[in-house]
Amino acid sequence: DIQMTQSPSSLSASVGDRVTITCRASQGISNSLAWYQQKPGKAPKLLLYAASRLESGVPSRFSGSGSGTDYTLTISSLQPEDFATYYCQQYYSTPAFGGGTKVEIK
Amino acid sequence: QVQLVESGGGVVQPGGSLRLSCAASGFTFSSYGMHWVRQAPGKGLEWVAFIRYDGSNKYYADSVKGRFTISRDNSKNTLYLQMNSLRAEDTAVYYCAKDTSIIVALYYFDYWGQGTLVTVSS
Repeated sequence: DIQMTQSPSSLSASVGDRVTITCRASQGISNSLAWYQQKPGKAPKLLLYAASRLESGVPSRFSGSGSGTDYTLTISSLQPEDFATYYCQQYYSTPAFGGGTKVEIK
Repeated sequence: QVQLVESGGGVVQPGGSLRLSCAASGFTFSSYGMHWVRQAPGKGLEWVAFIRYDGSNKYYADSVKGRFTISRDNSKNTLYLQMNSLRAEDTAVYYCAKDTSIIVALYYFDYWGQGTLVTVSS
């Protein structure tokens, strides 16, 4: 099975900051990677798929990049509503999620 | 609009059984694969099971294989998860989730229900 490792597990940032979250797969996943945002007590929300494609309705401050085993989610200018936990998920094989990155207010 | 509404969660003793349901609306349910994903309290997400749009193929996480059964009734637009031989480590919020792709599943999820909590405890 493919393991997904996210880093950092948490970070503190201010409104307007640029934030980058990294996800590493235990083997190549050919851009078969999705990113989700989850707020407390709510279901996850799909942000990006195919590593860099923005889901309809998601603000353009969210972007994704990467290839092979290493992928990143970038929030270009953090907004108050972006404080949440973010998960990567590979769908190259049996679906597997990263451990999550909690983005907190500094 | 797409809606997924889970029900059937509750408290059950170790070794017990529970059946979860997920009522779907707002899309052609019979054309999409469906998944169950769970989240233990304060923990991350874990994919549990998948069923093809027509019910012909089912796949499970190793952690639930042989104990859980996913099924669907396309005439009722409803997804199910039969959970047997429950263990403490099955305690989680269980979400049903819609696959993004019509007919041929891609195994990522564009709509999720609100979740239903299953607690396995004596």
